[in-house]
Amino acid sequence: DAGVTQSPTHLIKTRGQQVTLRCSPKSGHDTVSWYQQALGQGPQFIFQYYEEEERQRGNFPDRFSGHQFPNYSSELNVNALLLGDSALYLCASSSRDGDEKLFFGSGTQLSVL
Amino acid sequence: AQSVTQPDIHITVSEGASLELRCNYSYGATPYLFWYVQSPGQGLQLLLKYFSGDTLVQGIKGFEAEFKRSQSSFNLRKPSVHWSDAAEYFCAVGAWDGGATNKLIFGTGTLLAVQP
Repeated sequence: DAGVTQSPTHLIKTRGQQVTLRCSPKSGHDTVSWYQQALGQGPQFIFQYYEEEERQRGNFPDRFSGHQFPNYSSELNVNALLLGDSALYLCASSSRDGDEKLFFGSGTQLSVL
Repeated sequence: AQSVTQPDIHITVSEGASLELRCNYSYGATPYLFWYVQSPGQGLQLLLKYFSGDTLVQGIKGFEAEFKRSQSSFNLRKPSVHWSDAAEYFCAVGAWDGGATNKLIFGTGTLLAVQP
């Protein structure tokens, strides 16, 4: 049973570019959340998707957007990249009918130059 | 507003020694509390969680945590540390809506080093 998988594992972009990160949730999970973890910090909640809609959003600008597909996988898009967007982006999945556990992927390390 | 404070940025203990990592939270209602561990280059692994009931919670890898409402604390403990426990530890508080996690608020983490 595969856990939460994220791709790519590493990514290097330049300022102003756009990036798309991908996440496949754990089998049986229908809810996907995205977190940003800057160096030396704890993860910060970006947003959560359920039934292909954004359900809750953290304090992130509109440059951060997402999507959830019918198979529950999800994408995180960041436009007009800034140096400060350099971070580890973590995807977490859970089930609305489950035991409220969040399972995290290993993350995508984004470097903006 | 919800918040989590982990006052110790870095802790070093000797292998076999006991460990206590501190966590204080701010939350208006009964909190849902978690401890996660993160090894370098890895995602977060859940060690244990508290929702309600017994305030002493047992987790994986021999860890336990105690919820103390009067002190707004949820400290993580282990009686005997192993070298493989070296990692970063995050405390988090969560809120639920309709049976699913809305979001977790994480502390800034405590980096644990284990001396031989």
